[in-house]
Amino acid sequence: QLQLQESGPGLVKPAETVSLTCRVSGGSVGGTTYHWAWIRQSPGKGLEWIGSIYYGGGLYDRGNTYYNPSLRSRVSISIDTSRKQFSMKKEFYLTLSSVTAADTAVYYCARQYSGNWAFDLWGQGTRVRVSS
Amino acid sequence: QTVVTQEPSLSVSPGGTVTLTCALSSGSVSTTYFPSWYQQIPGQAPRPLIYSTHIRSSGVPDRFSGSVLGNKVALTITGAQPDDEADYYCMLYVGNDVVFGGGTKLTVL
Repeated sequence: QLQLQESGPGLVKPAETVSLTCRVSGGSVGGTTYHWAWIRQSPGKGLEWIGSIYYGGGLYDRGNTYYNPSLRSRVSISIDTSRKQFSMKKEFYLTLSSVTAADTAVYYCARQYSGNWAFDLWGQGTRVRVSS
Repeated sequence: QTVVTQEPSLSVSPGGTVTLTCALSSGSVSTTYFPSWYQQIPGQAPRPLIYSTHIRSSGVPDRFSGSVLGNKVALTITGAQPDDEADYYCMLYVGNDVVFGGGTKLTVL
């Protein structure tokens, strides 16, 4: 059974860059059926899509990315490129730069079905707090 | 900027029926926006309920149904249960962007 698990530093200082990892167990992030996404939720607020990545699986493929326009200048989503076989790729990442208190949130990774764009599997979330 | 609007809060009596709606600032919502719905109990990750407007996700009870309602899409809960008390979010796929509604807090009392 495929599961997603986020991990990250928990606490980040303002103006720094935060990097989060989503590990996929029971499957891989390779293939054309799914996109892989990051979504966040600030305390007491709603869900906000950060971006998605689609990895076609070519040897030199780094993935096609789609970002929330409001975050595009500070966000990067990438796929594990350390393994050559796309079926063995188990992680994808979120990098968010120049963070402020407004970036304090629970960050979820999720699987997004390419055929209907719905998020059909979610991780449990990892909390990121931006504070000096 | 695309804005997706939901009722901030609704209430329903146990056993009753309630309809939550999802509207688009730029016009009518249609199936081409691939509407989906998610349930979130505080402290938990969102749970998929409905995708492609009306298709229930695996394991979702049939008291949850999705539809197009005029120029909006809707999530209807028929025979509400106390466990249905939660936040509900709709999501639309607009261009290459994903946009969530602000969420509806549903109280069952």
